[in-house]
Amino acid sequence: DVKVTQSSRYLVKRTGEKVFLECVQDMDHENMFWYRQDPGLGLRLIYFSYDVKMKEKGDIPEGYSVSREKKERFSLILESASTNQTSMYLCASSTGGALETQYFGPGTRLLVL
Amino acid sequence: QKEVEQDPGPLSVPEGAIVSLNCTYSNSAFQYFMWYRQYSRKGPELLMYTYSSGNKEDGRFTAQVDKSSKYISLFIRDSQPSDSATYLCAISYGNNRLAFGKGNQVVVIP
Repeated sequence: DVKVTQSSRYLVKRTGEKVFLECVQDMDHENMFWYRQDPGLGLRLIYFSYDVKMKEKGDIPEGYSVSREKKERFSLILESASTNQTSMYLCASSTGGALETQYFGPGTRLLVL
Repeated sequence: QKEVEQDPGPLSVPEGAIVSLNCTYSNSAFQYFMWYRQYSRKGPELLMYTYSSGNKEDGRFTAQVDKSSKYISLFIRDSQPSDSATYLCAISYGNNRLAFGKGNQVVVIP
């Protein structure tokens, strides 16, 4: 069974803080993704990585950076958290290919005060 | 125009009713068509996928694709309270990315 875990389920941070969200997958997947999910806006891709140290911007990369030093681990970094980054953050992984089945973690609900 | 359009309105149905959800898409290069189900406070999980026009059944669930109209549907027969969730359509065009609809929250009332 594919397992994607995220370091925190709930997180409360202050404006201006640096925030790290961690994601780990145990299925040796090549691809990993970070999304945010907001009511009425759906899932929006922030960044994805198709290999160690490789990354590509998604649809909304502004204000975020990522790090993938090991295949199983993909980190999302909010350099200076702002209130408009309050959201549900979802990590996913996949093997890639034409049938792009993504496996999601449980999500981190981030509140920035 | 967004790649995938899914009217995000909530849907409440009585137990046993048929639930009908749909999405439209704009890019005919899309290859695979999927439905994800997301329970409250959980991540989405793949429910069904199909890659050709026509119907695909899996128990009480039927996924339908009409490539000529760029229209995909999900039907849930004999809906149960355990089907209460958000359903997201997703479409793959083979470059390791998915285009997601906004999701429909479905509530099945006992």
